[in-house]
Amino acid sequence: DAGVIQSPRHEVTEMGQEVTLRCKPISGHNSLFWYRQTMMRGLELLIYFNNNVPIDDSGMPEDRFSAKMPNASFSTLKIQPSEPRDSAVYFCASLPAKAGELFFGEGSRLTVL
Amino acid sequence: GEDVEQSLFLSVREGDSSVINCTYTDSSSTYLYWYKQEPGAGLQLLTYIFSNMDMKQDQRLTVLLNKKDKHLSLRIADTQTGDSAIYFCAESKGDYKLSFGAGTTVTVRA
Repeated sequence: DAGVIQSPRHEVTEMGQEVTLRCKPISGHNSLFWYRQTMMRGLELLIYFNNNVPIDDSGMPEDRFSAKMPNASFSTLKIQPSEPRDSAVYFCASLPAKAGELFFGEGSRLTVL
Repeated sequence: GEDVEQSLFLSVREGDSSVINCTYTDSSSTYLYWYKQEPGAGLQLLTYIFSNMDMKQDQRLTVLLNKKDKHLSLRIADTQTGDSAIYFCAESKGDYKLSFGAGTTVTVRA
């Protein structure tokens, strides 16, 4: 299995631009998570989907952030407009139906100038 | 997260044992985890322990749980240079939500 696949691995953009991060979870996993990692705050859960439905988005910082999961094999995290304080590594992770190990992607490193 | 605390740094000589400590606040935690993050990579599950266990051993890794003190530790025997990474402690109540610590950066020196 290829694991959780994220793209892009690195993105550098200017303040005010729209950013879209993508994730392909492991086939057969029915839960998907977006996390943000920064030096200041560590790992923060942004949003959790179960069977493509957003269950908990309490960690989404503000309205500039949105996430979708149109089908079981694809999710996006969008930031519009982006700000320098959004600079972080964004991780996608997936979990099989019988909860167990959370599998992480390699992350998307976002730098907003 | 504020519910899980770890020391930030640990330096250890190659071949020695490393002990990484973690404390958590939620007494209803059911599962406790150790994840490893190598540079430029995501987190990988190293091991986990159920809250009704005191100890779990897996090759060079030993996890000790003191439920009364809400203290979890990870011991790595015969630490190697490949063990240099950030180690995250995490807890959950068996649902989807994991609370992660800030991570302990382990540096192995020759």
